[in-house]
Amino acid sequence: AQSVSQHNHHVILSEAASLELGCNYSYGGTVNLFWYVQYPGQHLQLLLKYFSGDPLVKGIKGFEAEFIKSKFSFNLRKPSVQWSDTAEYFCAVNAPDKLIFGTGTRLQVFP
Amino acid sequence: SQTIHQWPATLVQPVGSPLSLECTVEGTSNPNLYWYRQAAGRGLQLLFYSVGIGQISSEVPQNLSASRPQDRQFILSSKKLLLSDSGFYLCAWNGWQGDEKLFFGSGTQLSVL
Repeated sequence: AQSVSQHNHHVILSEAASLELGCNYSYGGTVNLFWYVQYPGQHLQLLLKYFSGDPLVKGIKGFEAEFIKSKFSFNLRKPSVQWSDTAEYFCAVNAPDKLIFGTGTRLQVFP
Repeated sequence: SQTIHQWPATLVQPVGSPLSLECTVEGTSNPNLYWYRQAAGRGLQLLFYSVGIGQISSEVPQNLSASRPQDRQFILSSKKLLLSDSGFYLCAWNGWQGDEKLFFGSGTQLSVL
C-alpha cells in the first residue's frame, strides 16, 4: 500500500537557521509530490508540487524541495527560516484517485 | 470559480449519538471527493474518498461511513459516536485536470463527550 513518512515530528529552530524536513514515500508508479503548509488557525495551503521535469522545485516563501527518485524522497528545504514560518508541514503523494498525506511536521521558529 | 462548503464548523456530541457532516462543491463537475481527519499528534488521515456518485472507498476500518448521493455532495456519518471519533474533519476535492491540487473545506471540529 502507498504510504508517506515524515521523520521529523517536531522541529525547533531559531530565525535565520536552515531548514530541511524529510519526506519519504512508497509507491511503485509515477508520482506527483506535494508539500502543504498549515499556519496556526488557518487552512491547509499548497507550498509546492512536483509533477515532472526538474527535480528541484521552488515554491512560495523561499521554500524548495528536491525529488530524488532513487531514494523515494522529497525533502523540503529553506536556507533561512523566519518566525512566520511557524506552522505544520505536510508531505503528500498522489496515488491513483487519492492523495496520501504524511503525519506532518510541526515547525516552531523562535526570534 | 470553484468553492467548497463544509458544515457545521463545530459540533459537540455525546457518546453514542449519530453524526452527519456534509460537504458540497460548487463550480466543478465530477470531482474526486475526500474526507480527512486531523487528530492531535496524528496529522492528516485519509478516511474516505470518492471518484463518483455512489462510489466510496474506505481507507481505515472505523466507526464512520461516507456516502455520495449527488455528484458534488459528500456526507460523513456515524450511527453511534465514540470518544475516539473526536477530531478535526476536513472535506477536500480535486479535479485531476493537470493540476492535482487539493482544495480543502474549512473543517469541522468534532468533540465527542
